[in-house]
Amino acid sequence: EAQVTQNPRYLITVTGKKLTVTCSQNMNHEYMSWYRQDPGLGLRQIYYSMNVEVTDKGDVPEGYKVSRKEKRNFPLILESPSPNQTSLYFCASSPPRGPGANVLTFGAGSRLTVL
Amino acid sequence: SQQGEEDPQALSIQEGENATMNCSYKTSINNLQWYRQNSGRGLVHLILIRSNEREKHSGRLRVTLDTSKKSSSLLITASRAADTASYFCATDARSGGSYIPTFGRGTSLIVHP
Repeated sequence: EAQVTQNPRYLITVTGKKLTVTCSQNMNHEYMSWYRQDPGLGLRQIYYSMNVEVTDKGDVPEGYKVSRKEKRNFPLILESPSPNQTSLYFCASSPPRGPGANVLTFGAGSRLTVL
Repeated sequence: SQQGEEDPQALSIQEGENATMNCSYKTSINNLQWYRQNSGRGLVHLILIRSNEREKHSGRLRVTLDTSKKSSSLLITASRAADTASYFCATDARSGGSYIPTFGRGTSLIVHP
């Protein structure tokens, strides 16, 4: 089944404890992106990647890192999480061309709480 | 920056009624998409309309696009309780020729049985 898989789905952590949210897609998509969703603010883009080894900042990149060493994986790294990073995070991917071009497939979401 | 903004923020209707939500955007686009999100879950793509199209249908969904007004509308006909969800529009912001989709804050639709 074509899908975007995020892990963990739920996580409670403490301030300053490094964590990684993994994202993997099995559709050979070139474009991948991370969003955070907060009440009243909609989806805001954190980082995106147009292809392997190519990453760019979105609207709210502060406090996050990403890497794209392989096409299928796009992990989101919080080096020193803070309470304002408590949010619902989504990973998404899309093909750049052909059928379904620019149509995003989303993961199920990762709910992160930083105490 | 959020390119698209949905209106209204919230909509409450009875089953069987039609639901209309709107999206306004600021800069020229190549396409506009609508997505649906059930509470706390990932967004699901509903429909894509290109800038040279004025109207598109998919089942009970009808999307219109008015590029002169920089706006789009999503109409759900004969709504059902299962249509209760948040609906988002996404527009394509071009960056160096690459497609960067940006989302609005969404319209929360409640359909009462």
